[in-house]
Amino acid sequence: EVQLVESGGGLSHPGRSLTLSCTGSGFSFADSAMNWVRQAPGRGLEWVGIIRGRAYGGTTSYGPSFTDRFTIRRDDSKSVTYLQINNLKSEDTATYFCSRWVDAFDFWGRGVMVIVSS
Amino acid sequence: SYELSQPGSVSVSLGQTATLPCWGNNLRSKNVHWYQQRPGQAPVVVIYRDTKRPSGIPDRFSGSISGSTATLRIKGVQVADESDYYCQVWDGSTAVFGGGTKLTVL
Repeated sequence: EVQLVESGGGLSHPGRSLTLSCTGSGFSFADSAMNWVRQAPGRGLEWVGIIRGRAYGGTTSYGPSFTDRFTIRRDDSKSVTYLQINNLKSEDTATYFCSRWVDAFDFWGRGVMVIVSS
Repeated sequence: SYELSQPGSVSVSLGQTATLPCWGNNLRSKNVHWYQQRPGQAPVVVIYRDTKRPSGIPDRFSGSISGSTATLRIKGVQVADESDYYCQVWDGSTAVFGGGTKLTVL
């Protein structure tokens, strides 16, 4: 059974950095393209970015709003993908989902909430 | 940057057919995917590659595309179908979501 579990969220302060983790199981993690998607309270889905699988060299791409302070990495030995957010802003307050891409965003984690507040 | 447009809300009577449109420039040249998101839950793919239905998704859900409009149809709408629905495409190496449509079942 495919499972994705996010962790690392919570309350953080403006200007700080935060790293979210997403642990996958039940599939070939190293071969999979992993994505992060953000959803602010009461708002729609925003694609943060993707880190491709080993056949594509683990390259990354980011949405237009996420090229500056956001970095996606992966550790295939642990089946984990990370989302680092630097210089946190109040507008980063959201639920962050990780999702696998295979013909669609076919599996999603439950999401992790990040609250940025002083 | 590429944009997808969806109506903010659609209402349909119980048992009727819901029609949810998604508009984008030259959409026919792209693969359109649809996601259902129930309140407080993660999204679930209900249609991928314009018309394909993942295993476990009822055949009441169908997708079509014509020109610049993709359409998600839900026949025999049930209370459980009341959700937000998002269309999504890839524009080059960037994933784009529509703003979402809230489906209300009357």
